[in-house]
Amino acid sequence: DSGVTQTPKHLITATGQRVTLRCSPRSGDLSVYWYQQSLDQGLQFLIQYYNGEERAKGNILERFSAQQFPDLHSELNLSSLELGDSALYFCASTTSGEETQYFGPGTRLLVL
Amino acid sequence: GENVEQHPSTLSVQEGDSAVIKCTYSDSASNYFPWYKQELGKGPQLIIDIRSNVGEKKDQRIAVTLNKTAKHFSLHITETQPEDSAVYFCAASKARAGGTSYGKLTFGQGTILTVHP
Repeated sequence: DSGVTQTPKHLITATGQRVTLRCSPRSGDLSVYWYQQSLDQGLQFLIQYYNGEERAKGNILERFSAQQFPDLHSELNLSSLELGDSALYFCASTTSGEETQYFGPGTRLLVL
Repeated sequence: GENVEQHPSTLSVQEGDSAVIKCTYSDSASNYFPWYKQELGKGPQLIIDIRSNVGEKKDQRIAVTLNKTAKHFSLHITETQPEDSAVYFCAASKARAGGTSYGKLTFGQGTILTVHP
């Protein structure tokens, strides 16, 4: 158990809908990273937050957005969902100044 | 940006044999190289990592080597066991400007390791 929690574990929704994925980092970790894992693209970085502020953006679509709250949990919002958004979404967290990223169990999103 | 290539994509070995997975990276500024193991239905789990100021690191049956000049690093698993069967990912990252935090991990495409009893 990495100490990173994600909810929900599974999510099934329809095209055009909007969903919110939630991540709670390890106790004390200020950085949260979001990754998407799909069969064709592999594990791809989406976005990083550090203590409530956006730090870096990767291959994140404009339909996707994220935020980190004062209690350090983070949410990834996916809107106008398409079939191709079906994937595993992971968050990871790190301690300030450390490079090791600890991954949560992921949320499996299926868009029908 | 950084690009990480990983080979082979699948690897099948007999229990007790050794397994080697190789990765190359493109950005010479990358200085942190972790390896993750992912089992079915689970998130990636860190198994070993190496920093650019070290050439080799070992932890029981697992070792990682780094060649900065050639920009490649490898994972070595000795005395493989069936429970080693999983998908293994290499990754690379570098410290952000100012050294306050590390940036994104760029992952290789993964290697499916199967250890036959």
